[in-house]
Amino acid sequence: DVKVTQSSRYLVKRTGEKVFLECVQDMDHENMFWYRQDPGLGLRLIYFSYDVKMKEKGDIPEGYSVSREKKERFSLILESASTNQTSMYLCASSSPGRDEQFFGPGTRLTVL
Amino acid sequence: DQQVKQNSPSLSVQEGRISILNCDYTNSMFDYFLWYKKYPAEGPTFLISISSIKDKNEDGRFTVFLNKSAKHLSLHIVPSQPGDSAVYFCAASPPDRGSTLGRLYFGRGTQLTVWP
Repeated sequence: DVKVTQSSRYLVKRTGEKVFLECVQDMDHENMFWYRQDPGLGLRLIYFSYDVKMKEKGDIPEGYSVSREKKERFSLILESASTNQTSMYLCASSSPGRDEQFFGPGTRLTVL
Repeated sequence: DQQVKQNSPSLSVQEGRISILNCDYTNSMFDYFLWYKKYPAEGPTFLISISSIKDKNEDGRFTVFLNKSAKHLSLHIVPSQPGDSAVYFCAASPPDRGSTLGRLYFGRGTQLTVWP
């Protein structure tokens, strides 16, 4: 059974803190994605990666960075957390040539 | 600018009746379309998809219809059940894997509520 896991389900951080969100997939997928979901705004793509050490900006990359040192792991970094980054963060993965993305359970991040 | 639009943020349907969720897209290059279902505090799960070479795909109670000329697709759920209550996201995929590298373009979602 395919699986995407995220390091935390709930996270509370303070403004200005550096935050790491981790995502691991066990499907040997090349592509990995980070989204945030906000009410009324749907799923917005932050960053994605199609290979180790490769990254591409999505639609809302400002305030975020990513790291992909290993194929199975894709990290999202909030360099200096702000209250407007309070959101549900979702990681997904997929194979090249396959459109279906598999999602993790999400991390609900609150920045105080 | 949103390339995939779900103009109805919510839909309420009685159990046993048909639910119809709509989705419009602007990019005529999209060649594959997907529907995802999301429960609160969970990640989206894939529901059903359709290629642009088809106009209908059916899987049990779920049917997706594609009208390429209108750039419109719809998801029909018959009969609707209370367990179908969730947010439904429409997504589209362009054919140019080189630059888009498997990314999907999502709509904003429609909250479906099925009441007994």
